Amino acid sequence: QSALTQPRSVSGSPGQSVTISCTGTSSDVGGYNYVSWYQQHPGKVPKLLIYDVTKRPSGVPDRFSGSKSGNTASLTISGLQAADEADYYCCSNAGSYIYVFGTGTKVTVL
Amino acid sequence: QVQLVESGGGVVQPGGSLRLSCAASGFTFSDFVMHWVRQAPGKGLEWVAVISYAGSERYYADSVKGRFTISRDNSKNTLDLQMNSLRAEDTAVYYCAREASNSWYWWGQGTLVTVSS
Repeated sequence: QSALTQPRSVSGSPGQSVTISCTGTSSDVGGYNYVSWYQQHPGKVPKLLIYDVTKRPSGVPDRFSGSKSGNTASLTISGLQAADEADYYCCSNAGSYIYVFGTGTKVTVL
Repeated sequence: QVQLVESGGGVVQPGGSLRLSCAASGFTFSDFVMHWVRQAPGKGLEWVAVISYAGSERYYADSVKGRFTISRDNSKNTLDLQMNSLRAEDTAVYYCAREASNSWYWWGQGTLVTVSS
């Protein structure tokens, strides 16, 4: 149950796109199409952005998109906005009902 | 409206015990797998434990295995986390979360557990 690896921080200017990677193993990210992504603003509850690698819950803008290749999943934020400045976490199923989170990435809007 | 409300957090000495509860409403509780997730101050999210629909299957993070016990009462719509042998590194906000489509859309507001002498 080792945490998935994410970059500590990424940044971009308003309107630009940023991509956050999430690297695991064949026992988690690579083994299941059950990767989800969460956005968390300071002091707030995590918000689900992406589930099942690419799906967006109702109400989540299509500026947020997910993908996966091998043992690495990615979250892309297009048309970066000031409100997107937050912490982002990936999460993957690791067999049965077990899950593992990523180390988290702070997104800064310049 | 789905609601998850945690309670039971507080300050406890190292080696002590604490029982967290999560009251669920607005949905058929027995139809969902439930989880506990925690977040230490200034740190990332950590998955803690899961319990299946009827409680027959339970799994834990290695960091809490043997010390924490997750349980549920589908007649009362409650989820519990019994925490024993608490350590300083267990200090965190503990969230209960409802699983759907291999993810968590619904979270409680969290309850803070502080392990300190």
